[in-house]
Amino acid sequence: EAQVTQNPRYLITVTGKKLTVTCSQNMNHEYMSWYRQDPGLGLRQIYYSMNVEVTDKGDVPEGYKVSRKEKRNFPLILESPSPNQTSLYFCASKKQGAQNTEAFFGQGTRLTVV
Amino acid sequence: DAKTTQPPSMDCAEGRAANLPCNHSTISGNEYVYWYRQIHSQGPQYIIHGLKNNETNEMASLIITEDRKSSTLILPHATLRDTAVYYCIVRERNFGGAQKLVFGQGTRLTINP
Repeated sequence: EAQVTQNPRYLITVTGKKLTVTCSQNMNHEYMSWYRQDPGLGLRQIYYSMNVEVTDKGDVPEGYKVSRKEKRNFPLILESPSPNQTSLYFCASKKQGAQNTEAFFGQGTRLTVV
Repeated sequence: DAKTTQPPSMDCAEGRAANLPCNHSTISGNEYVYWYRQIHSQGPQYIIHGLKNNETNEMASLIITEDRKSSTLILPHATLRDTAVYYCIVRERNFGGAQKLVFGQGTRLTINP
């Protein structure tokens, strides 16, 4: 089954404690991205990657890092989380270069930073 | 990406057709109309997309006006499981660059028994 898998689904952490949210897709998609969703602000793109070792900032990259060492994985790293990063996070993937393809989203990671 | 305007909420009776409108009056010639939905904080789910012709798949139909300034997503026989926030998105055919999907506030559709 085609899917994007995020882990963990829920996480409560303390300010300053480094954490990583993993994202893996099994569709051999070149393009992957991270979004955060906050009430009243909708979904905003954090980072994206067009292929292995190619990453770039989205609209709200501050406080986040990503890496793309393998095609299937695109982890989101919070080096020093702060309470304003409390949010619902989604990873997405899609095929690159095809004319019109849908994006597949993970089930989300609800992060609380206290 | 062009902006879209959707009603914030709609209700529909179970078994009836749900018609969700979207205005995209500034859409350009190379921009497609996409629809996604999000069921209660789950990941957004792709529904359908189109350029200028009407489209139909197993989930829904998409009707795009001739001037392409508006469209309607039709769920032909709505069920309780169709209760969700529906997003209308327009974006370029060229998939270079950020390729982000710009989600607005969407329409919260409630299907009533």
